[in-house]
Amino acid sequence: GDSVTQMEGPVTLSEEAFLTINCTYTATGYPSLFWYVQYPGEGLQLLLKATKADDKGSNKGFEATYRKETTSFHLEKGSVQVSDSAVYFCALSGDSSYKLIFGSGTRLLVRP
Amino acid sequence: NAGVTQTPKFRVLKTGQSMTLLCAQDMNHEYMYWYRQDPGMGLRLIHYSVGEGTTAKGEVPDGYNVSRLKKQNFLLGLESAAPSQTSVYFCASSIQAGGRTDTQYFGPGTRLTVL
Repeated sequence: GDSVTQMEGPVTLSEEAFLTINCTYTATGYPSLFWYVQYPGEGLQLLLKATKADDKGSNKGFEATYRKETTSFHLEKGSVQVSDSAVYFCALSGDSSYKLIFGSGTRLLVRP
Repeated sequence: NAGVTQTPKFRVLKTGQSMTLLCAQDMNHEYMYWYRQDPGMGLRLIHYSVGEGTTAKGEVPDGYNVSRLKKQNFLLGLESAAPSQTSVYFCASSIQAGGRTDTQYFGPGTRLTVL
């Protein structure tokens, strides 16, 4: 079945450092791919998404490119801020599926 | 738009008590979902609904029941609460796009403790 694997955390960075959180997936067909962010004490919010191969999703300085050849959707940001500290979830929506398949989440801690 | 709202925000139950969690959305979404999130774990799907009057089981449905009598509401019931059901519960809703679920919009969560 479809699945999502993302790097284990926590990831600890200093402010203004470069961020990469790896996400790879297994799915038949052409899934849609998502990154969600969860701030402490809140629900998940959509950060960005991509619906076809080579699409780049971007929002708030975060980017991720849908790579069909490597089945990946890695999240990147050039310069993180303390306010980016949160848990990040990669997810996919497969062909004819009612459900999102979530990765296990990666906690990011940014120190001043 | 309020988006997705959940009632209550916090609740403490004793083992064996029952309760209902209410989820409401004002976006006219067809699909609705209930998840639980435990410390150090990701989200696990409990039940979901693809339209008014329809429900289906997710990964961890045991001990829970749901109803979708109105399109905008999705209720999650615990008939006899157990300590293992201590968790944070999230509701979500989404539209269908291209024959699959699109972006899911999440509520703020209900923190439930069962003693």
